[in-house]
Amino acid sequence: QSALTQPASVSGSPGQSITISCTGTSSDVGSYSLVSWYQQHPGKAPKLMISEVSKRPSGVSNRFSGSKSGNTASLTISGLQAEDEADYYCCSYAGSSTPFVFGTGTKVTVL
Amino acid sequence: QITLKESGPSLVKPTQTLTLTCTFSGFSLNTSGVGVGWIRQPPGKALEWLALIYWDDDKRYSPSLNSRLTITKDTSKNQVVLTMTNMDPVDTATYYCAPRGVITGTHAFDIWGQGTMVTVSS
Repeated sequence: QSALTQPASVSGSPGQSITISCTGTSSDVGSYSLVSWYQQHPGKAPKLMISEVSKRPSGVSNRFSGSKSGNTASLTISGLQAEDEADYYCCSYAGSSTPFVFGTGTKVTVL
Repeated sequence: QITLKESGPSLVKPTQTLTLTCTFSGFSLNTSGVGVGWIRQPPGKALEWLALIYWDDDKRYSPSLNSRLTITKDTSKNQVVLTMTNMDPVDTATYYCAPRGVITGTHAFDIWGQGTMVTVSS
């Protein structure tokens, strides 16, 4: 089971919207609506931002939204803020034997 | 309030076996649908899922590390233990534990421990 593919970096100016892609295969992202997204600030533990493609946990800003099309999931951050600068990881279910596979990670920079 | 804390040695020698303990509070591993997983992150690198144990003692392991990992639970102590055999310097990483579905009820790691850094070196 290979890691899901994410762009190494994405940047945007404050107030802009950015989208991070997460590309898998028909064995993981393409077959299940069980994609989650995590935000990680330097030196900190990851934080769940989106589960099951588009569900936002309580307390997560509605500026974060998720979607999926085919084998690719996406995380969109609208109204980009300085505090959004962090690493972001997607994660997908890949079957009962491999319930979690993470993405390669994307560094978001706020210009 | 849910809390988790990972504990174990900060330094192990190559070929040794690593034993990590995740001690948690605020939820029960006896609850249907709940699981606790281990994830690691080498310095400057991506997250990697290692293992997951469900409330019914079903266990799942990363295919690439399956032969080296064992995950167990002690519900009376609210602990999950991960052992990894034949440690190598490439296993140097921060190791996290996290529950699946205890807050959101979804297939995701809802909340994470602070992590414990393990260095493999002679």
